[in-house]
Amino acid sequence: DTGVSQDPRHKITKRGQNVTFRCDPISEHNRLYWYRQTLGQGPEFLTYFQNEAQLEKSRLLSDRFSAERPKGSFSTLEIQRTEQGDSAMYLCASSFVLDTEAFFGQGTRLTVV
Amino acid sequence: GENVEQHPSTLSVQEGDSAVIKCTYSDSASNYFPWYKQELGKRPQLIIDIRSNVGEKKDQRIAVTLNKTAKHFSLHITETQPEDSAVYFCAPFTRGGADGLTFGKGTHLIIQP
Repeated sequence: DTGVSQDPRHKITKRGQNVTFRCDPISEHNRLYWYRQTLGQGPEFLTYFQNEAQLEKSRLLSDRFSAERPKGSFSTLEIQRTEQGDSAMYLCASSFVLDTEAFFGQGTRLTVV
Repeated sequence: GENVEQHPSTLSVQEGDSAVIKCTYSDSASNYFPWYKQELGKRPQLIIDIRSNVGEKKDQRIAVTLNKTAKHFSLHITETQPEDSAVYFCAPFTRGGADGLTFGKGTHLIIQP
């Protein structure tokens, strides 16, 4: 296991299109997080899963965003009807249990044109 | 949710000198206090963390101190080296909190040769 992996690394899409990102966490990690990071800012929490259950969703997350984690393994983050303001780095992280080190993936950089 | 502030936003020190970054938080129930380092174009990585039952923790040139009464914790880097140049984020965590890890806006540490 080489750590948290995300796919794709880069995505350019036209405004209004739907995009889907994938995250494969470290295999024994129960918790999986999605964050969004824009230039010069810290990672902003979007949502997290405990196994397959989505336990929390940020108030900042519009209904155009949806995330799944079927079978408690990999996770997908979908953005529908993309807007230019969605352009950012989308980071996935996983951890074994609560309040322990979160390991981040390399991120997916989304550019909406 | 947790309100997190980091100071300073930019810190420039001479190589070999010490650097201190402070993080203040609002949630008195926070119980886990990590610091992440993010180099340009790379993922955030944990460099040190501390739990609420400990006041200080040290790992070679890096230390973290916690003042729960005042609700702040600080990152100390001694004998700074060029490879310490990066953005540092604090991310206090509350067990059972609604927003997972809440990251500060980051401190850009510049090590001058």
